[in-house]
Amino acid sequence: LAKTTQPISMDSYEGQEVNITCSHNNIATNDYITWYQQFPSQGPRFIIQGYKTKVTNEVASLFIPADRKSSTLSLPRVSLSDTAVYYCLVGVNTGGFKTIFGAGTRLFVKA
Amino acid sequence: GAVVSQHPSRVICKSGTSVKIECRSLDFQATTMFWYRQFPKQSLMLMATSNEGSKATYEQGVEKDKFLINHASLTLSTLTVTSAHPEDSSFYICSASGERGYSPLHFGNGTRLTVT
Repeated sequence: LAKTTQPISMDSYEGQEVNITCSHNNIATNDYITWYQQFPSQGPRFIIQGYKTKVTNEVASLFIPADRKSSTLSLPRVSLSDTAVYYCLVGVNTGGFKTIFGAGTRLFVKA
Repeated sequence: GAVVSQHPSRVICKSGTSVKIECRSLDFQATTMFWYRQFPKQSLMLMATSNEGSKATYEQGVEKDKFLINHASLTLSTLTVTSAHPEDSSFYICSASGERGYSPLHFGNGTRLTVT
């Protein structure tokens, strides 16, 4: 089970690009990398998922180097509403897959 | 997109009573559902993995007789907190696994349980 390590917290200002890096040194060949966002008193929400290289959707980009031992979530031009906790998970959802959450990264966006 | 509905969103109960929390996948079949609890300012802690038609698998330290999980259909899993006590007060969250192994998880909006 791949363990993930992220910065505990980050501060940013509105309009800036935010990059959150997650380390997963023992990622397995079949593992995907998935990022979730959680606001207080809500369940986590899916942001983006990737296997290798770069993935982009309407809210974020995910950069994965060739060795896949880390990944970087990039949030372009953050706003106050992006203040949340961001979790990086590694694995596949086959039977018995345990969704172990790390501590996550608390992003605080200031005006 | 896929939606997981969790009810109730908030419940207050007296010590010693039992509380049932429902988790439904609304537009997909979820063969596997997960239950977590989350204390303030902390991460989600996996309590158990619920597989349709079989017994749930509990994480170490989670009492299976205290937290009863039933996954009787491909769209519904329930968590019953039996004989609740104030220390069971927490935020409980469910998630469901999509059809494919690499599908992202879909989470319910959580249930805030307060035991008085």
